[in-house]
Amino acid sequence: AQKITQTQPGMFVQEKEAVTLDCTYDTSDQSYGLFWYKQPSSGEMIFLIYQGSYDEQNATEGRYSLNFQKARKSANLVISASQLGDSAMYFCAMREGWNTGKLIFGQGTTLQVKP
Amino acid sequence: DGGITQSPKYLFRKEGQNVTLSCEQNLNHDAMYWYRQDPGQGLRLIYYSQIVNDFQKGDIAEGYSVSREKKESFPLTVTSAQKNPTAFYLCASSRDRSNTGELFFGEGSRLTVL
Repeated sequence: AQKITQTQPGMFVQEKEAVTLDCTYDTSDQSYGLFWYKQPSSGEMIFLIYQGSYDEQNATEGRYSLNFQKARKSANLVISASQLGDSAMYFCAMREGWNTGKLIFGQGTTLQVKP
Repeated sequence: DGGITQSPKYLFRKEGQNVTLSCEQNLNHDAMYWYRQDPGQGLRLIYYSQIVNDFQKGDIAEGYSVSREKKESFPLTVTSAQKNPTAFYLCASSRDRSNTGELFFGEGSRLTVL
């Protein structure tokens, strides 16, 4: 069965520093997609970044990058130059099957950015 | 602006009552989803629909029902059979034939059973 594991319930980072949020996954599919979402205290889910299993390069979106290590089945999110507005819960998710929006989510990591 | 609208934002219900959460999208997306989130937890799929008049159960469908009579609308009914309905409910949609399958989410509905 497909599974997403986020082992860090909470993290602290100093403003302007970089932080890595861990995510490991388990799947027997060859084709899959990995996502990171941000959930502020208001509750909405904000899409951050996507990595396809066949993408050879790590995905980047502004200050977000995804450190994709396929052999280790890890998809860590790196946030560079942390800002106070980055304080939120972060979820790693995996697409179940091809061409579907069915996502399996990890339990999340709460990030707090300290001034 | 295009997006997903969920209502109500907050809802209180007495035990034994059914309640319906509304989800409307104007993104022209084919697929729609309902997820449940409990405090400090990830999201779990309740139901999803990839086309009008068709829907499938997710991982935790018991005690819930849905309908998909229009492309834009995917209401969720929390029935009295749902043992622990207090939770945060998120509706989402996705483009058909999307390269990524990215979900677009509404702002959520928080249901509390008194």
